[in-house]
Amino acid sequence: EAQVTQNPRYLITVTGKKLTVTCSQNMNHEYMSWYRQDPGLGLRQIYYSMNVEVTDKGDVPEGYKVSRKEKRNFPLILESPSPNQTSLYFCASSRDGQQETQYFGPGTRLLVL
Amino acid sequence: DQQVKQNSPSLSVQEGRISILNCDYTNSMFDYFLWYKKYPAEGPTFLISISSIKDKNEDGRFTVFLNKSAKHLSLHIVPSQPGDSAVYFCAASPTFAGGTSYGKLTFGQGTILTVHP
Repeated sequence: EAQVTQNPRYLITVTGKKLTVTCSQNMNHEYMSWYRQDPGLGLRQIYYSMNVEVTDKGDVPEGYKVSRKEKRNFPLILESPSPNQTSLYFCASSRDGQQETQYFGPGTRLLVL
Repeated sequence: DQQVKQNSPSLSVQEGRISILNCDYTNSMFDYFLWYKKYPAEGPTFLISISSIKDKNEDGRFTVFLNKSAKHLSLHIVPSQPGDSAVYFCAASPTFAGGTSYGKLTFGQGTILTVHP
């Protein structure tokens, strides 16, 4: 089954404690992205990747890091989480960048205390 | 600066009637537009899209209209069904050199649609 998986699905942490949210897709897609969803703001793109070792900032990259060492994986790293990073995070992938539709993971709900 | 705006946070309609969801954008670089549907505890799923070379695209009960001069698009659902109750997101994508968008999408805030039986 074609899918995008994220782990963990729920996470409660404290300010400053480094964390990683993993994302994996089994569709051999080149393009992957991370979004956060906040009330009244919709989904905002954090980072996106066009291929292995190629990443670029989205609209709200501050406080986040990403890496793309393998085509299927695109982890999101919060080196020093803060309460304003409490949000619902979605990973997405698409076959190519030519205005292809994106397939989203189920989401990771993060609470930073 | 919100480049894609959905000004109605919620919409309530009766089953069988038409639902019209609206979306406005400001960035002239956007030339491909998509609607996504999202149920609670799930990721958004693609619904329908339209390229800027068209002004209408239909897929079953769903039709998207694009008015480029007004920078406005709308999603029509006819007839509306209770299973259509969800959050609907409008999204826009630019085209960079070579015809690619690099997977860059800008979303609106979302509209919660409730269809009453």
